[in-house]
Amino acid sequence: GAGVSQSPRYKVTKRGQDVALRCDPISGHVSLYWYRQALGQGPEFLTYFNYEAQQDKSGLPNDRFSAERPEGSISTLTIQRTEQRDSAMYRCASSLGTSGARAYEQYFGPGTRLTVT
Amino acid sequence: TQLLEQSPQFLSIQEGENLTVYCNSSSVFSSLQWYRQEPGEGPVLLVTVVTGGEVKKLKRLTFQFGDARKDSSLHITAAQPGDTGLYLCAGALRGSQGNLIFGKGTKLSVKP
Repeated sequence: GAGVSQSPRYKVTKRGQDVALRCDPISGHVSLYWYRQALGQGPEFLTYFNYEAQQDKSGLPNDRFSAERPEGSISTLTIQRTEQRDSAMYRCASSLGTSGARAYEQYFGPGTRLTVT
Repeated sequence: TQLLEQSPQFLSIQEGENLTVYCNSSSVFSSLQWYRQEPGEGPVLLVTVVTGGEVKKLKRLTFQFGDARKDSSLHITAAQPGDTGLYLCAGALRGSQGNLIFGKGTKLSVKP
């Protein structure tokens, strides 16, 4: 596709359920990032991948959060045993990941609005 | 501690006014980017600056990277209501593998 896509766009789940959020990056983009964003605030880094390798997961809040990108393309962010405090907009971004400044230019998806009731 | 400090946090101005938004850090960045985000949308890249002292212009927007590559500014001339949005700066730390550090953003409102 032309841009980064995320699904679902909206997810309402009950506390204690597991959720899986999907990100489909721009074709050919090496790097894929997951962020959480509060309303009116900048994105908060969660984790990122180069190809299928998870490079940094230091932003994941706790061990209920995990992410994978098994074939170096589509990625899934999974939240186990969801809690109300997990409610947020989750955004995915991708970048070329090649050398030079353009490697870091990120293209964002529309996000998944997660609500935990 | 916020690695990238943006100021002001909020800015409300009249159409036609000029404004400057600042992005400051004590860290050195190999490159710095500015994004604009409208409500309900994801951030959209405006510009990337790489060289210390670099100035880039995008129509009425002027971006500057500090000589020491620790800070940046965004100046908008003759603001229009269409400029309303959340402006985010994001930097790649020197030696990083590709992760960006985002500031908290400046929320700009331009009234007609």
